[in-house]
Amino acid sequence: AQKVTQAQTEISVVEKEDVTLDCVYETRDTTYYLFWYKQPPSGELVFLIRRNSFDEQNEISGRYSWNFQKSTSSFNFTITASQVVDSAVYFCALVSNFGNEKLTFGTGTRLTIIP
Amino acid sequence: DTAVSQTPKYLVTQMGNDKSIKCEQNLGHDTMYWYKQDSKKFLKIMFSYNNKELIINETVPNRFSPKSPDKAHLNLHINSLELGDSAVYFCASSPFRGSYEQYFGPGTRLTVT
Repeated sequence: AQKVTQAQTEISVVEKEDVTLDCVYETRDTTYYLFWYKQPPSGELVFLIRRNSFDEQNEISGRYSWNFQKSTSSFNFTITASQVVDSAVYFCALVSNFGNEKLTFGTGTRLTIIP
Repeated sequence: DTAVSQTPKYLVTQMGNDKSIKCEQNLGHDTMYWYKQDSKKFLKIMFSYNNKELIINETVPNRFSPKSPDKAHLNLHINSLELGDSAVYFCASSPFRGSYEQYFGPGTRLTVT
């Protein structure tokens, strides 16, 4: 079985503040992939990042960065210098067991950036 | 040139009707999916096809039937619609089975009255 927990249901920060979205996952597999998706108010799901279980290097893409720590089963997402356009629901997801192939999503974190 | 497209974007219908949602991807991907997002934003996979072959069939009512005429299309037909079917349905595709990098369509908001 696999599970993704996003304990923060809603976060509000003032523009230009940094914010970290938490994601904790559970899986018994040693090989798995983790993802973050963004769902802006318009409703579409935007792929942000995929990380495999063998690559614990942190990743930075512009104002976005991801911290993957297998020791704590966490894959946290940080937005620096937040902007109003970052307001969205963010989903963390996991797929493991190549025979299973089901993407399991967390319940999402609604991020509101206050101008 | 939309990568993954769905029609219609909005669908309002009455209980008991039969309706279809169409999905097309022009990315040349082999694998396609249907997801359901409920009113609490919870996303759950329903079906997955790889090269027209069904590979994931979650526990959904038999009233839901996917159809893949070719690997670029995955349609979802729903019979005898119920109030609880109201949700946003997302189609997604990924390059090949096992790549897992899924690209989503814009979603179809289904409202059953």
